Amino acid sequence: DTAVSQTPKYLVTQMGNDKSIKCEQNLGHDTMYWYKQDSKKFLKIMFSYNNKELIINETVPNRFSPKSPDKAHLNLHINSLELGDSAVYFCASSPGQGSIAQPYEQYFGPGTRLTVT
Amino acid sequence: AQSVAQPEDQVNVAEGNPLTVKCTYSVSGNPYLFWYVQYPNRGLQFLLKYITGDNLVKGSYGFEAEFNKSQTSFHLKKPSALVSDSALYFCAVRVPILTGGGNKLTFGTGTQLKVEL
Repeated sequence: DTAVSQTPKYLVTQMGNDKSIKCEQNLGHDTMYWYKQDSKKFLKIMFSYNNKELIINETVPNRFSPKSPDKAHLNLHINSLELGDSAVYFCASSPGQGSIAQPYEQYFGPGTRLTVT
Repeated sequence: AQSVAQPEDQVNVAEGNPLTVKCTYSVSGNPYLFWYVQYPNRGLQFLLKYITGDNLVKGSYGFEAEFNKSQTSFHLKKPSALVSDSALYFCAVRVPILTGGGNKLTFGTGTQLKVEL
């Protein structure tokens, strides 16, 4: 069984369009994340939700809007797509936010390669 | 601000030889450090983490990492490299939770490991 899954795997679209990427985890985790990996493989966190509550919101254009309908799902909606949005987007999850003494490792999905033309 | 540096973009090693992938960190307080591996067209996979205690941490697939506080380093090592170890390796640091970072990870820029016959 796939632990963290994302759909679609590939997404090709034109500038100005609106698109969504979906993520689901079946690990029973409380915390989920969205990361962006650019063409140079640099990986940066965008958002994190814990039990459907937004806890991390990095400096991301407000064209990006995450939504967590339940703690097993975290979707990413992108409005008015731009060329610079082309990247691989990874979803991840962890058992929780962790504590001072217990940082949790994160489990990553396979990624969604978004190409904006 | 916390950060990690991976000074080598690529490391080449012959199969059967020991390998080292370097990582140095900068963080306030106690560092929580991670290594992840990314195979082509795949998501990141957790290898190991350092929280506290023994400076030598053992992880998956025969990898280990040595935490060195005085040198602020957390180098990834393996005694005998395999061709199948060829992948992109990321070092990461967990943001101290007291600053409201949740379980946020800051990743290094990645090191491409190439193991040749």
